[in-house]
Amino acid sequence: DAGVIQSPRHEVTEMGQEVTLRCKPISGHNSLFWYRQTMMRGLELLIYFNNNVPIDDSGMPEDRFSAKMPNASFSTLKIQPSEPRDSAVYFCASTLSSGANVLTFGAGSRLTVL
Amino acid sequence: AQSVSQHNHHVILSEAASLELGCNYSYGGTVNLFWYVQYPGQHLQLLLKYFSGDPLVKGIKGFEAEFIKSKFSFNLRKPSVQWSDTAEYFCAVITGGATNKLIFGTGTLLAVQP
Repeated sequence: DAGVIQSPRHEVTEMGQEVTLRCKPISGHNSLFWYRQTMMRGLELLIYFNNNVPIDDSGMPEDRFSAKMPNASFSTLKIQPSEPRDSAVYFCASTLSSGANVLTFGAGSRLTVL
Repeated sequence: AQSVSQHNHHVILSEAASLELGCNYSYGGTVNLFWYVQYPGQHLQLLLKYFSGDPLVKGIKGFEAEFIKSKFSFNLRKPSVQWSDTAEYFCAVITGGATNKLIFGTGTLLAVQP
């Protein structure tokens, strides 16, 4: 298995632009998580899905952020409009919702908003 | 709300020194506990986990952690660190009420000097 695949690995954009981050979970995993990592706040859980349904989005900072999971093999995290304070590394992770809850992380998407 | 505290934000050791990184969580019920490691420029990888049974768990690369329920702690240890252990270490917890929500501590940056 190729693991959790995220794209893009790096993105530099200007304030106000729309940003879309993508994630392909491990095949067979039915839980997917989006985390944000910054120096100030560490790793924050933004949202997670079970069986493509959003379960907890309490960590989503504000309405500019949205996440979707249209099918079991794909999820997006969108920021519109982006702001400099959104600069961070965004990690996607997946696991099976039953049994041992060990998350497998992707390599992350490093976002820089100028 | 559940939380995870890592009191050592930055640790500097010489090679062969012993390591202990503190982790405390705030939740009175059943917990699953984890330590993840993030090497420079890489994604998070599982170091070790505790679900039940022997409170002393052994992970990869000579790391171990001890779950002390009475102290709400899950400290990470290694008897002799190597330069290659330079990384950021994250303690994390899943509480019994939310089967998938993994909450991370703020991380401890370990620098091992050769």
